[in-house]
Parts: sequence; C-alpha cells; structure tokens
Amino acid sequence: NAGVTQTPKFRILKIGQSMTLQCTQDMNHNYMYWYRQDPGMGLKLIYYSVGAGITDKGEVPNGYNVSRSTTEDFPLRLELAAPSQTSVYFCASSYSSPTAGELFFGEGSRLTVL
Amino acid sequence: AQSVSQHNHHVILSEAASLELGCNYSYGGTVNLFWYVQYPGQHLQLLLKYFSGDPLVKGIKGFEAEFIKSKFSFNLRKPSVQWSDTAEYFCALYAGNMLTFGGGTRLMVKP
Repeated sequence: NAGVTQTPKFRILKIGQSMTLQCTQDMNHNYMYWYRQDPGMGLKLIYYSVGAGITDKGEVPNGYNVSRSTTEDFPLRLELAAPSQTSVYFCASSYSSPTAGELFFGEGSRLTVL
Repeated sequence: AQSVSQHNHHVILSEAASLELGCNYSYGGTVNLFWYVQYPGQHLQLLLKYFSGDPLVKGIKGFEAEFIKSKFSFNLRKPSVQWSDTAEYFCALYAGNMLTFGGGTRLMVKP
C-alpha cells in the first residue's frame, strides 16, 4: 500500500500565484485532513473532511480552499500565495470512530512563497 | 474550544537518562489522547494512544504515557532514552472530528 501520497514535495511560489497541493490515500479512509507545520508552533489544522462531498474549516483556513469529490483525493488550493503561507504542509487520513484520531500522514510538502 | 499545551519546548538528555514530557489539555468532554513522533526529515508517526480503560498506556520503542483525568494531563515517559530517540514529540487531543496538536517538544539525546 502507498498510504498517503502528497505532491509536490517542494515548491517555490511568487506572491500572488496560485497552486494546488495534491493528496491521495489508498486506505479507504473516511476522514482526511490538511495541516501546516511551522517551527515551534506544532501543527495547525487548515481543513478537514469526514467524507466525500463534506468539508469543514479547521483552525487556520484563511487563504486556502479544499474539495473532496472522491474518498481518495483531498486537494488543497492556495489562491493568492502570501509569504505567511510559507510552511510545511501535511495531509493525513484516518478511519472514523472508534479509532478516529489515529492519523496516517503523508511525507509533507514544503512550500516557500517569495 | 479544545487546546493542548506542551510546556517543554526543548529537552537535552544523555543516553540512558529517564524522560518525562509534559502534556496538558483543555476540553470538557470525553477525549482520545495521542503522542506522535517526528524523526528528523520524516513525517509524523503514532507513538501511542489512549481511548479508554487503563490510564497507563504503552507504545512503541519502550514509551508509555499516563492519563490523569483530574489533572487534564497525558505525560509521556521512557525509563532510558537512546540516541535514536532524538526527535520532536507532539501530544494531541481528538474531539469533535478534529485532532489538535500541542506545540511540540524537541528532544536531543547526546551519545
């Protein structure tokens, strides 16, 4: 099994550009998440989804959008890149209850906005 | 709203020393608690979890954690650390479909 796959692994953007971070999982998990990780700040939840067609905001959703058209895919879109979005982004997935919270993470995508 | 606090941001230990990392959470209902580990250059991996039952839970690589409900704490322990335990450790709380992380503790183990 591939688990959770994220692309690209690295990307440099200019201010105002847009891009999509791709995330796909092959474990048939209902729940999927996008986090950003900044030094000393832990991981902050951007958006999450409890199933196809259902998405919800996390702690830090501003400047991002998501969609969940299939169980497998959960892309994260940055519309107008800003330097504050320089971060490492992690996609994760999990089953719903009773093991909800036991997340499987992707390898991460390092984004730099200049 | 739920929150998780890890009070030790950086810890430096020598090999064979004992480890205890603090974690406190804020949430009024039933919780699932986790410790995740991130080795240098890698993604997060589950270290151990608490859902219910015995408040002392054991995880991989000799780690254990104790859930103390009255103190809203879930501290991580290991009797004797190894150089390979050098990593960043994250405490996390699951409630309301969301997993909320603490700020992390960066552990360095000197050989």
